[in-house]
Amino acid sequence: AQSVTQLDSHVSVSEGTPVLLRCNYSSSYSPSLFWYVQHPNKGLQLLLKYTSAATLVKGINGFEAEFKKSETSFHLTKPSAHMSDAAEYFCVVSHGSSNTGKLIFGQGTTLQVKP
Amino acid sequence: NAGVMQNPRHLVRRRGQEARLRCSPMKGHSHVYWYRQLPEEGLKFMVYLQKENIIDESGMPKERFSAEFPKEGPSILRIQQVVRGDSAAYFCASSRERTQETQYFGPGTRLLVL
Repeated sequence: AQSVTQLDSHVSVSEGTPVLLRCNYSSSYSPSLFWYVQHPNKGLQLLLKYTSAATLVKGINGFEAEFKKSETSFHLTKPSAHMSDAAEYFCVVSHGSSNTGKLIFGQGTTLQVKP
Repeated sequence: NAGVMQNPRHLVRRRGQEARLRCSPMKGHSHVYWYRQLPEEGLKFMVYLQKENIIDESGMPKERFSAEFPKEGPSILRIQQVVRGDSAAYFCASSRERTQETQYFGPGTRLLVL
């Protein structure tokens, strides 16, 4: 079975400092992994996606994530936080073994950015 | 190219009423997924449909919930005889292909059951 664990429910950083949101996954197959962001009362926006190509994935708004198979991790990073980055972030794995491609979401990490 | 559209954005129902949530996928997308987000939780898969077919409904509650994606028109998620526990945000996503394909999400419908 596939699962995703986001290790921090809440992360607080100061504006201009690095961001690290941690994610571990469990998968019996080669997974597709995603990070989505959700701003308050809004839908989900795709930040980046890993599908067995380069292990370092660059996304929008300066975010990137590194796929580490040995550690079963897919942590999200950004060198310098901006106030507009404050949101809920979801690490997601695709249930690629089945015919459905349904997504399995982590519990989410709330990122707070302090001025 | 318009994104995934959902309506209504907000829906208030009294216990026992029916709720109908609509989702129009992105142009060229024939795969639709419904997810539910309970307060303070991540999204949970409900059902996956392709035009006129339900492919996977393993996440749907056994009673009161149904979904369809007709040949013409939007996908509909229907909840009969709503209860307070149905209060949640319901998100629709669409993709062009099935597996290994990015799903694009709509803005969601926030259902409140009084």
